[in-house]
Amino acid sequence: NAGVTQTPKFRVLKTGQSMTLLCAQDMNHEYMYWYRQDPGMGLRLIHYSVGEGTTAKGEVPDGYNVSRLKKQNFLLGLESAAPSQTSVYFCASGLAGADTQYFGPGTRLTVL
Amino acid sequence: GQQVMQIPQYQHVQEGEDFTTYCNSSTTLSNIQWYKQRPGGHPVFLIQLVKSGEVKKQKRLTFQFGEAKKNSSLHITATQTTDVGTYFCAGPWTYKYIFGTGTRLKVLA
Repeated sequence: NAGVTQTPKFRVLKTGQSMTLLCAQDMNHEYMYWYRQDPGMGLRLIHYSVGEGTTAKGEVPDGYNVSRLKKQNFLLGLESAAPSQTSVYFCASGLAGADTQYFGPGTRLTVL
Repeated sequence: GQQVMQIPQYQHVQEGEDFTTYCNSSTTLSNIQWYKQRPGGHPVFLIQLVKSGEVKKQKRLTFQFGEAKKNSSLHITATQTTDVGTYFCAGPWTYKYIFGTGTRLKVLA
């Protein structure tokens, strides 16, 4: 099992560009999450999904969109990147809402 | 909304000293989880506590859940350089988890 994988690992964008981060899990988990982590700060939830075809907003959803068309994939989109979105993005998955979360290795995004 | 606070934010200890981080929630929690993130790595699940007053041990790590289920602590006995990292607590809130701000531990050899 690969667990949770994220692509790409690193990316540099210019302000206004768009991109999609891909998260994939092979553990048949229902729940998937996108977090951002800024230097010296904790994990802040951007969006999450409780099952295929569902999405919901977390603490900091503005400027991001998500889709969960397949159970194993959770996509995070930035339509018009801003320097404030420079961060490390982590995807996580879990069997249920109150279950262990398994994190991917992260995507380091820099917006110039 | 729910808030989860952690103290201290940073802790530097000499190798062999003990270390404790505290987690406090603004609301009663059904359970609490602890994660460890090594520098440059991703959070890794350590343990989940469910019962009021629960104490669990993992080698040199001792986890405690408060009687009122609003606070928790992680204690490391005789720290080693392998303990370096950031320790997060997380409390469930409607299908998701709210993470504490984390305690960054540095161990000086």
